[in-house]
Amino acid sequence: AQSVAQPEDQVNVAEGNPLTVKCTYSVSGNPYLFWYVQYPNRGLQFLLKYITGDNLVKGSYGFEAEFNKSQTSFHLKKPSALVSDSALYFCAVRDTNAGKSTFGDGTTLTVKP
Amino acid sequence: DTGVSQDPRHKITKRGQNVTFRCDPISEHNRLYWYRQTLGQGPEFLTYFQNEAQLEKSRLLSDRFSAERPKGSFSTLEIQRTEQGDSAMYLCASGRGDGNEQFFGPGTRLTVL
Repeated sequence: AQSVAQPEDQVNVAEGNPLTVKCTYSVSGNPYLFWYVQYPNRGLQFLLKYITGDNLVKGSYGFEAEFNKSQTSFHLKKPSALVSDSALYFCAVRDTNAGKSTFGDGTTLTVKP
Repeated sequence: DTGVSQDPRHKITKRGQNVTFRCDPISEHNRLYWYRQTLGQGPEFLTYFQNEAQLEKSRLLSDRFSAERPKGSFSTLEIQRTEQGDSAMYLCASGRGDGNEQFFGPGTRLTVL
């Protein structure tokens, strides 16, 4: 079985400050990990993924995420938040031996000017 | 536009009626996924195909739900004898499988009266 937890329903940050959106996961094997973003009235868009290799992965719009195997976490980060980053963010996990992905319930990020 | 498309975008139906949704994936993608999303929740896996083969179906999916991908291209999701609890956004995604990300369509919003 696989699962994802996004412990924060909402994250609020000021523009220009660093942001972190948390994600922890559980899989029986090795994970593929993904972050997706959903803007209002738009479909989900892929941000970044961890497959193997470097624990720090970089993605679109200046976002990055760090894979931590011992803590089973894959937190999304950005050094300097923009108002336009305000959206709903989803973490997803897929066991490397599985076909389906499991999504978290999402975290609403609000960046205030 | 070469993205994933879904039709219709909105569907209002009366309880007990059957509905069918269509998804056209990105042409070179061999995997196609169906999810259901309700307010405040992440996408919930329903089923997925590799080419024309349906490889996995969620145990949460009742026998009223059926999906096909007859030629390994577009897919249809049918819900028979709709219930009010079926009201949700139905999302389709396509991808290349393994560690590759999924590309989501805009979704079909179903309202069952």
